Amino acid sequence: GDSVTQMEGPVTLSEEAFLTINCTYTATGYPSLFWYVQYPGEGLQLLLKATKADDKGSNKGFEATYRKETTSFHLEKGSVQVSDSAVYFCALSQGGYQKVTFGIGTKLQVIP
Amino acid sequence: SQTIHQWPATLVQPVGSPLSLECTVEGTSNPNLYWYRQAAGRGLQLLFYSVGIGQISSEVPQNLSASRPQDRQFILSSKKLLLSDSGFYLCAWSDRDTPLVYGYTFGSGTRLTVV
Repeated sequence: GDSVTQMEGPVTLSEEAFLTINCTYTATGYPSLFWYVQYPGEGLQLLLKATKADDKGSNKGFEATYRKETTSFHLEKGSVQVSDSAVYFCALSQGGYQKVTFGIGTKLQVIP
Repeated sequence: SQTIHQWPATLVQPVGSPLSLECTVEGTSNPNLYWYRQAAGRGLQLLFYSVGIGQISSEVPQNLSASRPQDRQFILSSKKLLLSDSGFYLCAWSDRDTPLVYGYTFGSGTRLTVV
């Protein structure tokens, strides 16, 4: 079945550091790919998405490119802030009812 | 605009007691509805999804059940809670016609602790 692999973390960075969170997937067909963010005590929010190969999703300074050849969708940000501290989930969606398969989530902690 | 409401926010229940969590969506019609559980170190697990009133699909065998009595209402239930039912429960909806464009919208979650 479909699956998403990402490191659990935690990832600890200093403010203004460069961020990369790796995400790889296994799926039949051509899934859509997402990154969700969960701030402490809250539900998940859609951060960005890409629906076909070579698409780049971007939002709030975060970017991720759909790489079909490497089945990857790595999340990057050039300069993180303390307010970016959260758990980040990589996810994919395909199928008749658009069920979304999530990775385990990567906890990011940004220190001043 | 569309909104999703989920309650209660936190719940502490004894083992063997019943459970009812409710989720409602406003501002849309015919949504796809989902219940997820988030357990520590295990990511999000899809429990149930529904594409219409009375239509429930279960993803994993478990002690829980779901119902959709109205188009925009989704209920998660249990007759007798187990310790292993503890976790963070999230309701979500997606647009029936363009789900991949907007992705899921999640509720704020319910933290359930079974003692």
